[in-house]
Amino acid sequence: DGGITQSPKYLFRKEGQNVTLSCEQNLNHDAMYWYRQDPGQGLRLIYYSQIVNDFQKGDIAEGYSVSREKKESFPLTVTSAQKNPTAFYLCASSKGSSFGYEQYFGPGTRLTVT
Amino acid sequence: KNQVEQSPQSLIILEGKNCTLQCNYTVSPFSNLRWYKQDTGRGPVSLTIMTFSENTKSNGRYTATLDADTKQSSLHITASQLSDSASYICVVSGGGDYKLSFGAGTTVTVRA
Repeated sequence: DGGITQSPKYLFRKEGQNVTLSCEQNLNHDAMYWYRQDPGQGLRLIYYSQIVNDFQKGDIAEGYSVSREKKESFPLTVTSAQKNPTAFYLCASSKGSSFGYEQYFGPGTRLTVT
Repeated sequence: KNQVEQSPQSLIILEGKNCTLQCNYTVSPFSNLRWYKQDTGRGPVSLTIMTFSENTKSNGRYTATLDADTKQSSLHITASQLSDSASYICVVSGGGDYKLSFGAGTTVTVRA
């Protein structure tokens, strides 16, 4: 898990509520990423940030929002607009801002929405 | 569309035995290929990273091979241990913007 922490490990919410997942890294990495993992599927990119105060949509950004106010923090908000929010969410970071750099993953947060 | 296909979906092996996992990809242009190990409920951990010019790379009992011409890779686990029970994910970087394309993973179960 390196120097990346995600909290909480498990999160339960009622449908219609927004929820924010925390991701912090102490690796002094420039870039941070959010992925979603569903059973039987590969990881899918939600949002990424290559520099502080800037972020880009990934492949499945609808219903999610992020901020990057500090280099070490990249919180993800799952909004009520996300139709199927129940999933395992993984945060990652890389030293360089290009996708070519190795990504280090956090331990993940399992979100369950009922 | 860039795709990464892994096979088999799952396998069960006895402790001490060897196994090989396969990865086929269509990502182009190719930058690098990575194998990750993911324990249940945890984040993936990198095992190997290979660029176009590398055919083989080892990390302890894990050996990855790459054939960039046929766009195939394999991960060989030697003398399996109970701790090898995990999902192994093949990830390819490329497609111009170097974004990562993830396979669905192969779940390996090692039994005593």
